[in-house]
Amino acid sequence: AQKITQTQPGMFVQEKEAVTLDCTYDTSDQSYGLFWYKQPSSGEMIFLIYQGSYDEQNATEGRYSLNFQKARKSANLVISASQLGDSAMYFCAMRRSISSGSARQLTFGSGTQLTVLP
Amino acid sequence: ETGVTQSPTHLIKTRGQQVTLRCSSQSGHNTVSWYQQALGQGPQFIFQYYREEENGRGNFPPRFSGLQFPNYSSELNVNALELDDSALYLCASSLYGGGAGETQYFGPGTRLLVL
Repeated sequence: AQKITQTQPGMFVQEKEAVTLDCTYDTSDQSYGLFWYKQPSSGEMIFLIYQGSYDEQNATEGRYSLNFQKARKSANLVISASQLGDSAMYFCAMRRSISSGSARQLTFGSGTQLTVLP
Repeated sequence: ETGVTQSPTHLIKTRGQQVTLRCSSQSGHNTVSWYQQALGQGPQFIFQYYREEENGRGNFPPRFSGLQFPNYSSELNVNALELDDSALYLCASSLYGGGAGETQYFGPGTRLLVL
């Protein structure tokens, strides 16, 4: 079974500073995908970044980067130069191998509430 | 490019009633997934539709059912509503066989309150 663990229920960061949100995962699959989503108070899930298990380079998207450590089964999200608008809930999610024939469902962690302080 | 849309945005029902939630997928996408998110928790997978057929189901009872239409839009139906069905229902669309991990893009959600 797939499992995602986010151990930080809440995090605070000063505006313009960098912050790392932790995510560890458990899977027996060799191939899988890892995702981060942002959920503002409005409720919509906003896709931030994707990392494939066979990708050799860590994924980056603008101010977001994913620190992928396969041996440790961790996929931490790094947000650089935090902005007030970054205040939201952040979810780490995993998708099983496409070749497994399973549905392309996402398994989510419990989330981390990030607050950016002015 | 049109994003994922959902209707209605909010809904109040009473226990035992039935509800239908609707979702229009992002243009170019052919797969729709539904998730239930209880307050303070991460989303839980309900089911996924591809080519108008259910393509996987999470741990939800049969009173949760769905449809996908030829234009790839989808409905989630819940019968015999229970208080615990109160949640945010999220629809996500993706391209089956597409790249970038077949990333799922979510709609704004429907907030259901069961009294």
